[in-house]
This record gives sequence, structure tokens and C-alpha cells, in this order.
Amino acid sequence: DQQVKQNSPSLSVQEGRISILNCDYTNSMFDYFLWYKKYPAEGPTFLISISSIKDKNEDGRFTVFLNKSAKHLSLHIVPSQPGDSAVYFCATKAGGRDDKIIFGKGTRLHILP
Amino acid sequence: DAGITQSPRHKVTETGTPVTLRCHQTENHRYMYWYRQDPGHGLRLIHYSYGVKDTDKGEVSDGYSVSRSKTEDFLLTLESATSSQTSVYFCATNGPMRQTNYGYTFGSGTRLTVV
Repeated sequence: DQQVKQNSPSLSVQEGRISILNCDYTNSMFDYFLWYKKYPAEGPTFLISISSIKDKNEDGRFTVFLNKSAKHLSLHIVPSQPGDSAVYFCATKAGGRDDKIIFGKGTRLHILP
Repeated sequence: DAGITQSPRHKVTETGTPVTLRCHQTENHRYMYWYRQDPGHGLRLIHYSYGVKDTDKGEVSDGYSVSRSKTEDFLLTLESATSSQTSVYFCATNGPMRQTNYGYTFGSGTRLTVV
């Protein structure tokens, strides 16, 4: 059963507009969330993270919002640029000694000219 | 950059043959992980290691084994490759912490095709 769900396999957004990628999780004990970005033929790279003690974290054009009551987080990209076209993975740390990260299935973002 | 090197980058192999993928890191990180990426499935954990000779299974470990005889090397072996193991395989380590905010650093991946 999926513990991290990204229900939109793909998303197309006009260049310059806002991109919003959504993620839901099932376990209220999860307390740290991350977003990774992946280009074709490359490994995923860390983008931004948020701890459950916060409801927002911002880094330049990227902002992550966390709604703990809804077990939902979202990644906002403003303004969207052509280089943002990639697959975005939502992830959470499972806790425990083994430091495992659980990933969602990913959302492919297309930025349209 | 955690200095993660995966080899080979691409491999085509026949069904039933053994295959070993290598992950090498230069940063002395304790934890190492093997994931596979498949369309519609995202990144799924195969095996991981929390130290030399200390390994454990992930969610899709059937048909795979791993070994870690040195801190810097983590090997993934497909004992008898099947077509369902055609995938892109990623190795990861848990660091460097400040750059990844306690997440992972990934290698560039190995694309494996089993024919």
C-alpha cells in the first residue's frame, strides 16, 4: 500500500505561471518531507524539504506547504521556467535507525513555451 | 557532491545470467541504498546497508542480493536475471547532510536491459 501518493502522473504549465505539485501521505507519524527533481538519464537531486514543525518552507522560486491535518503537502514553483521540466518525487523519512526514505511515484512536469 | 559512481552505466544481458552492479562512494558515508525506477512505480527500495557487512531488505528485494565488504563499495547482484528486472537502478548515500537536508545523494544510474 502506498504511503506517499502523487496522484497526478503529469502536469503541463505555461512558462511564467505557477506550477503546483501535490502529495498525500498516510502516516501521521511521518515528520520530515522532501522533494526531489529528476532529469532524464540523471539521478534524482534534492530540491527542498520541510519538517513537520513548520507549515511552509521557501527557497527562491520553490515553496513547500505542509498541511498536517490533511496529511498533504504541495510544491509551488513560481514563476515556472523551461528548466523546471522534469519528474518531481515527493518523499518522506520513515524514521528509525536505517534512515530510509519512501518515495512517491513522481509527477512529470512539462513547462510549455 | 558525495562522489557516487555507478558502473556500468548501461548493460544488456540475457535472461538467466547473473549480473552485478557496482556503486562506489568516496565520502565515507555509512548508509548506502539501491533503488529501482520503473514507469508508474517511482523509486522503490531494493536493499540497503547501514555499515560494512550490515545489509537489509527493502520492499522489492526478491531476486536480488547485495554485499558491502568495504565502506566505499555496495554491490547489487541479480542472481539470475529476468525480464521483469529490466529497469534503471540508482544507488544513493545519506549525505552530505548540509547539501541534502538529511536526504540522499544519488548516483547517475545504471540502465539494465534483460533480453
